[in-house]
Amino acid sequence: NAGVTQTPKFQVLKTGQSMTLQCAQDMNHNSMYWYRQDPGMGLRLIYYSASEGTTDKGEVPNGYNVSRLNKREFSLRLESAAPSQTSVYFCASSEEGGGSYGYTFGSGTRLTVV
Amino acid sequence: AQSVTQPDIHITVSEGASLELRCNYSYGATPYLFWYVQSPGQGLQLLLKYFSGDTLVQGIKGFEAEFKRSQSSFNLRKPSVHWSDAAEYFCAVGAGGGYQKVTFGIGTKLQVIP
Repeated sequence: NAGVTQTPKFQVLKTGQSMTLQCAQDMNHNSMYWYRQDPGMGLRLIYYSASEGTTDKGEVPNGYNVSRLNKREFSLRLESAAPSQTSVYFCASSEEGGGSYGYTFGSGTRLTVV
Repeated sequence: AQSVTQPDIHITVSEGASLELRCNYSYGATPYLFWYVQSPGQGLQLLLKYFSGDTLVQGIKGFEAEFKRSQSSFNLRKPSVHWSDAAEYFCAVGAGGGYQKVTFGIGTKLQVIP
């Protein structure tokens, strides 16, 4: 089925470890996004890529880096994980801007940092 | 700055009863408005969206929403709830333009009792 695929689905890290969350979409969407979801705080934008070759910071970028590898793939890297980064991470894509077209979301990565 | 308020954190309805989930937004211009649904352990799925035109919009799964500019509201409704509608529902407001910022509410968790 067409959509957004995220890997891994679950991950436990120790403080200070690094990891990369992978995201791929097969809908030929131009824009891709990384959100984190925390209880009582809704979704907060970490980074986004309006089109292939561009990336920009969102609301909560500290501690994260991203790479738009090609039109399909957008990865999120935690260089030195901290307990405050325990969260559920969602990748999303949209035709152009998600603020007008709406998003297609992946099923999420549940990350625990101990 | 744009914002979204979902005043009800948790709602319980009986199967077959009608449903209305409230959403109030703040935005300086004509907003793009969205409702998303999130089933446990899944990503968010777009139910419906509004930008202009008819203020009553139809979505998937039998949901509809009505835009009321005078009340800054975009409430979600369903005439008869099914047990499978139990999920968390998020209202969101989007801005047009280059950044296309999207602000999500904190969600309303719907419980359906038989």
